[in-house]
Amino acid sequence: QKEVEQDPGPLSVPEGAIVSLNCTYSNSAFQYFMWYRQYSRKGPELLMYTYSSGNKEDGRFTAQVDKSSKYISLFIRDSQPSDSATYLCAMKSSSNTGKLIFGQGTTLQVKP
Amino acid sequence: EPEVTQTPSHQVTQMGQEVILRCVPISNHLYFYWYRQILGQKVEFLVSFYNNEISEKSEIFDDQFSVERPDGSNFTLKIRSTKLEDSAMYFCASSESGFAYGYTFGSGTRLTVV
Repeated sequence: QKEVEQDPGPLSVPEGAIVSLNCTYSNSAFQYFMWYRQYSRKGPELLMYTYSSGNKEDGRFTAQVDKSSKYISLFIRDSQPSDSATYLCAMKSSSNTGKLIFGQGTTLQVKP
Repeated sequence: EPEVTQTPSHQVTQMGQEVILRCVPISNHLYFYWYRQILGQKVEFLVSFYNNEISEKSEIFDDQFSVERPDGSNFTLKIRSTKLEDSAMYFCASSESGFAYGYTFGSGTRLTVV
């Protein structure tokens, strides 16, 4: 089983839709969870950062972590064409490590 | 907004040659990282660096690779004797207060080994 799994998509939605992006993981030691957005030919850009379980909201973005199910989600409300990008989940086990484990990334296209 | 700067954006090198990829992290950041992304694959951790020494490295980061902070602003990744399979996007990242926080990534250097 892969350590972090993410459906690569592509996912195509109309503008204004609610988007749900998900990752599953196998390592129960993961405690720090991140979502990055990556535009073509650019580096990953940090969107959300959560520790342990629960929800975190930032504007149109909500991150959810369910450690019991080893499942994390990113919701995007009122999606915009500018949200079209690849979304990467990333996680790590400890505050003492710099090693992030990334998912494959999900390509999202928001159509006007 | 502060950013991590990487140069060059694209480097083509012949197999067996040495390359140096350069990064200027955000000025008040103390923790530095290199990641790479082979085309169509996941972003992979290579190495983390703090207080002028390697904190952690992956199994990918073998004797072929080295990192250095030659002055107060630059952070470099050297690949000796490049191989075809080293072709990838190499991302530098930095963080301010430790490994617990999210990292700021640069735009990457695309390395093509021919």
